[in-house]
Amino acid sequence: GQQLNQSPQSMFIQEGEDVSMNCTSSSIFNTWLWYKQDPGEGPVLLIALYKAGELTSNGRLTAQFGITRKDSFLNISASIPSDVGIYFCAGQKYGGSQGNLIFGKGTKLSVKP
Amino acid sequence: SQTIHQWPATLVQPVGSPLSLECTVEGTSNPNLYWYRQAAGRGLQLLFYSVGIGQISSEVPQNLSASRPQDRQFILSSKKLLLSDSGFYLCAWSADRGTEAFFGQGTRLTVV
Repeated sequence: GQQLNQSPQSMFIQEGEDVSMNCTSSSIFNTWLWYKQDPGEGPVLLIALYKAGELTSNGRLTAQFGITRKDSFLNISASIPSDVGIYFCAGQKYGGSQGNLIFGKGTKLSVKP
Repeated sequence: SQTIHQWPATLVQPVGSPLSLECTVEGTSNPNLYWYRQAAGRGLQLLFYSVGIGQISSEVPQNLSASRPQDRQFILSSKKLLLSDSGFYLCAWSADRGTEAFFGQGTRLTVV
């Protein structure tokens, strides 16, 4: 099925560094979501975005809904070891009940203490 | 508040044996329900979704089936497991299609 282009695939960073990842699509999306999955667990919703240009923060996490509605990014500031996991973007192309979420392939984050 | 329960957490089954994974949601009515499979810790593949009791849509042809006997219960089944059915299975619910989905803890299935 169709998937979003999520990058990078993986990141190895030092504790304290900032992290940035993004998702792009050739189609316009109405909703962008960001999830984090810890090893052996189900994904947990971090941030939900509904309007083009919307910038939303959740603690050290900040995400934006791109103005073109074809992309979104997630930033993590001052990373800590518990930020380790796989981050997924997800979006919906259609309004209302017309389509399921489409997921990116994930960004695997590793943090070196 | 809404909660989603999925069990078992891990399962080891021989090839050719049947499968039944169960998922229930509490604290909401008429949820949209989903079964995903995740291979090798990456990429979520949507297997089935349901918008109501007895209504099942399959996204990919496969050896599995799904059923929704009650409003908040979603079951993933197989009559005869294949080695390729191994993976991490996730149940999820949402208030509406395309809105925020909330995931269960997942089931690690190993077919041997």
